[in-house]
Amino acid sequence: GENVEQHPSTLSVQEGDSAVIKCTYSDSASNYFPWYKQELGKGPQLIIDIRSNVGEKKDQRIAVTLNKTAKHFSLHITETQPEDSAVYFCAARRDDKIIFGKGTRLHILP
Amino acid sequence: DAGVTQSPTHLIKTRGQQVTLRCSPKSGHDTVSWYQQALGQGPQFIFQYYEEEERQRGNFPDRFSGHQFPNYSSELNVNALLLGDSALYLCASSVVSSNYGYTFGSGTRLTVV
Repeated sequence: GENVEQHPSTLSVQEGDSAVIKCTYSDSASNYFPWYKQELGKGPQLIIDIRSNVGEKKDQRIAVTLNKTAKHFSLHITETQPEDSAVYFCAARRDDKIIFGKGTRLHILP
Repeated sequence: DAGVTQSPTHLIKTRGQQVTLRCSPKSGHDTVSWYQQALGQGPQFIFQYYEEEERQRGNFPDRFSGHQFPNYSSELNVNALLLGDSALYLCASSVVSSNYGYTFGSGTRLTVV
């Protein structure tokens, strides 16, 4: 089955700087890669996604890149703000089943 | 438009007991997936229901069972509770075979004592 590895597990960046979270997946048949943000006491919220036929996607301060050959995908957050502090999960989908990484706790330092 | 709703929000049970958690999917969604999220971990896939049938299952024992009703709502049942079953249980809904991600509820926090 699919296995998703995510790193780092914890990331601290100065407010205004950029943050990058990286993931790898094992199943070459996976075709959809969502990123979720989870705040304390809440369920995961979809923030951006990318499909296997696209290499990059951007939405304001957030961008995702996908390298199908290497089975790598990454989340980039620019101009970080205090409200970006949360746990971020990458995930991969195959056959309607979404498998998650273990998460990255992002701290935005004032 | 209501999103995914789960009940109850918190629950405390004793080891060996049974528990039922409930989920109402987002309007227009027909598929419900259940996840277990231990503290500090990513969500682990339990199973998925579509057309009132279990469609896919993760690596969870038979103590975990579910049901989907004609209105697409779903229940997760856990029998013979163990201390290790303490976790946040998340319900996610989607449209079968769509090209979109899941919409998650806020979860049920289960504590087994």
